[in-house]
Amino acid sequence: GQNIDQPTEMTATEGAIVQINCTYQTSGFNGLFWYQQHAGEAPTFLSYNVLDGLEEKGRFSSFLSRSKGYSYLLLKELQMKDSASYLCAVMDSNYQLIWGAGTKLIIKP
Amino acid sequence: DAMVIQNPRYQVTQFGKPVTLSCSQTLNHNVMYWYQQKSSQAPKLLFHYYDKDFNNEADTPDNFQSRRPNTSFCFLDIRSPGLGDAAMYLCATRTGTGSTDTQYFGPGTRLTVL
Repeated sequence: GQNIDQPTEMTATEGAIVQINCTYQTSGFNGLFWYQQHAGEAPTFLSYNVLDGLEEKGRFSSFLSRSKGYSYLLLKELQMKDSASYLCAVMDSNYQLIWGAGTKLIIKP
Repeated sequence: DAMVIQNPRYQVTQFGKPVTLSCSQTLNHNVMYWYQQKSSQAPKLLFHYYDKDFNNEADTPDNFQSRRPNTSFCFLDIRSPGLGDAAMYLCATRTGTGSTDTQYFGPGTRLTVL
């Protein structure tokens, strides 16, 4: 079966760094997406990785290891507005997104 | 400017009373999706269209139907809403010209069933 695993909840302090991990087992792989979702709102696109390595975009970076079925999202210089759920999604061989349940990130002052 | 628009943002209906949710896009994207998302859960794909080609997920209940009369608009019909259908309904689009292009979401419609 297809499976995406990520922690349910994480807590971090304003100004700090946090890493959200995602492991996956899917039928085929056409890339991995990270989305941010604030409570009661729709997901918004953060990053896309299809090759191994680190993609940096401002305060956010995303890493992929296809051989390990593993990705992480790294958030630096955390701000209160970063409090949200972060969803990992893998595009499978049918070009459909398989979604994780999301990691709720709580930022404390 | 909004690119994927969903109306209404909040919908309240009564148990068993049909309801229609709408989605429109100004992106001219080929592919449109309907997802259902319940609290603290992953989005669950209900349907998707590649142009007018309709694809129904195997576990989408018969109570849910969809229409795409043209490129810009897509509708989700819930024929007889039950309490378990209360959720956020998300519409998403992607160009479809590249197999791995990004999905863009509308703001969602939160459905409450009384």
